[in-house]
Amino acid sequence: EAGVTQFPSHSVIEKGQTVTLRCDPISGHDNLYWYRRVMGKEIKFLLHFVKESKQDESGMPNNRFLAERTGGTYSTLKVQPAELEDSGVYFCASSQGQKNIQYFGAGTRLSVL
Amino acid sequence: AQSVTQLDSQVPVFEEAPVELRCNYSSSVSVYLFWYVQYPNQGLQLLLKYLSGSTLVKGINGFEAEFNKSQTSFHLRKPSVHISDTAEYFCAVRPYNQGGKLIFGQGTELSVKP
Repeated sequence: EAGVTQFPSHSVIEKGQTVTLRCDPISGHDNLYWYRRVMGKEIKFLLHFVKESKQDESGMPNNRFLAERTGGTYSTLKVQPAELEDSGVYFCASSQGQKNIQYFGAGTRLSVL
Repeated sequence: AQSVTQLDSQVPVFEEAPVELRCNYSSSVSVYLFWYVQYPNQGLQLLLKYLSGSTLVKGINGFEAEFNKSQTSFHLRKPSVHISDTAEYFCAVRPYNQGGKLIFGQGTELSVKP
């Protein structure tokens, strides 16, 4: 069974550009989470989808970030326009069932120059 | 609100020595507890979890952790480490009935030397 897949693995963009990160959860997982780790800091929650609905987006930093999960399968996280402080590693996780154990992807390392 | 503190940012240890990675948390509600590990160039992998029951939890690769409710701690231990245990370890909590989001500590880099 395939795990959580994220791409690209690494993205380097200039300030002001747009970047879209993609996450493919484990097949059949209704819950999808986005997290971010800024260098030197802890991994922080961004938002949670249940199927295609946003359950909790309390961790989204500002309106430059837009997450979607059309059809309840894969999800995208768009940053527009990117700022220097958006640099970090973006993790996606998915889960299913009452125990809700989250399985993580390898992350996307975003570098904004 | 919840917070997680991993008391050591870096832990160097020699191969075959025991190791303890410390984790304390603060929460106004009950939580589930987790340790994740990130090997170089890989994603986060679940090491072990405490959901209920016995407070001593065994995980993969010979690791174990003990939940101490009175001290709000969940320290991770291994009696004898290997070079391959070199990785970053993350303690996390998940509050009951708050949608499932994880709150992480800052991470501890375990470096095992020969």
